[in-house]
Amino acid sequence: NAGVTQTPKFQVLKTGQSMTLQCAQDMNHEYMSWYRQDPGMGLRLIHYSVGAGITDQGEVPNGYNVSRSTTEDFPLRLLSAAPSQTSVYFCASTNQGQGLNTEAFFGQGTRLTVV
Amino acid sequence: LAKTTQPISMDSYEGQEVNITCSHNNIATNDYITWYQQFPSQGPRFIIQGYKTKVTNEVASLFIPADRKSSTLSLPRVSLSDTAVYYCLVGDERINDMRFGAGTRLTVKP
Repeated sequence: NAGVTQTPKFQVLKTGQSMTLQCAQDMNHEYMSWYRQDPGMGLRLIHYSVGAGITDQGEVPNGYNVSRSTTEDFPLRLLSAAPSQTSVYFCASTNQGQGLNTEAFFGQGTRLTVV
Repeated sequence: LAKTTQPISMDSYEGQEVNITCSHNNIATNDYITWYQQFPSQGPRFIIQGYKTKVTNEVASLFIPADRKSSTLSLPRVSLSDTAVYYCLVGDERINDMRFGAGTRLTVKP
């Protein structure tokens, strides 16, 4: 049981390049989400999904696309990288609907630098 | 969404009990209170969650007064490895309700 797996761990992009950050979970959770964390700040929600085929925007969705074709995978695509997207990206999956046992499980993060 | 306010930073020494208080004056009836811990270069990790009164697990205790407008995370006998950022979140179980503020940076000194 690996939990939430993110790849790659590190990435350097040139301005204007596109790439996809991968996220996979093996806990059969319906809810998954992407956050970005800038230095010294908390996490900000980019996009989230409440199940396969369903996605929605969070606080900071501009410049990012997501898709959810399977329960396990929730990739995040940067359309045209900009220096402002330099950040650490975290993927999470949540056992939503468990009331007081609702818990988000986070991946180890992807550190992205756009030059 | 209920806004939370917590201290930006706290210092403590090994072996002491640490209490981090979070204010959430606009908490809604359906909202839970959840705390996460984040070490450098890692994703946040769930610590504890509660709705009212006191909750205790093997890691921490969470105290919630009757009006639920604040909560206190209590870490007993901290060690150097408890140095981390602690986030207080308030919201119902919907994923888009999980809003992380800046958190409280706890530094445990020898």
